[in-house]
Amino acid sequence: AQSVAQPEDQVNVAEGNPLTVKCTYSVSGNPYLFWYVQYPNRGLQFLLKYITGDNLVKGSYGFEAEFNKSQTSFHLKKPSALVSDSALYFCAVRLLWAAGNKLTFGGGTRVLVKP
Amino acid sequence: NAGVTQTPKFRVLKTGQSMTLLCAQDMNHEYMYWYRQDPGMGLRLIHYSVGEGTTAKGEVPDGYNVSRLKKQNFLLGLESAAPSQTSVYFCASRTINGTSGSSTDTQYFGPGTRLTVL
Repeated sequence: AQSVAQPEDQVNVAEGNPLTVKCTYSVSGNPYLFWYVQYPNRGLQFLLKYITGDNLVKGSYGFEAEFNKSQTSFHLKKPSALVSDSALYFCAVRLLWAAGNKLTFGGGTRVLVKP
Repeated sequence: NAGVTQTPKFRVLKTGQSMTLLCAQDMNHEYMYWYRQDPGMGLRLIHYSVGEGTTAKGEVPDGYNVSRLKKQNFLLGLESAAPSQTSVYFCASRTINGTSGSSTDTQYFGPGTRLTVL
């Protein structure tokens, strides 16, 4: 079975400061890892993914994430947060051969960026 | 392209009533999914489909049925609604074209349906 943990329900950060949203995963095999963002009253939007290769993945809106196999983590980062980054962030994992390419999502982390 | 659309956006049901949620996508995607989103639990997969005429159970299928009669549509049915089915429901789709892990390896989500069962 595969699972994803996002240990923080909410992250508060001041505008201009670095933002980190944590994610750890558990799978039996090589994972595909994803980050999605959800703005209020909207569906999820894809941010970035790790498949293979460079452990540092760059995505939309200045976000990046680092894959750490030994720590089974895939933390989302942004060097300088904006108020508009306030949203709900979801980490997700799937295996290469998962039936239907199913994703397993973490519980989500709410990010609040204060001016 | 409209992408993934969901109908209705909001609905209130009484316990025992039935309803159908419609998901439509105009991207010619093969795979479609239904999720429910509950606070602190992320998104949980209800049912999914890998092609027209095929469906499969996800993580939390009980109390729901689905149908994929046309490639572009994926219907989620509640035969006898229960308060535990109060949730926000999201539909998603993805293509199988390209290699796994390519730029196509992404699910596209609809705006959601907020369902309340009294």
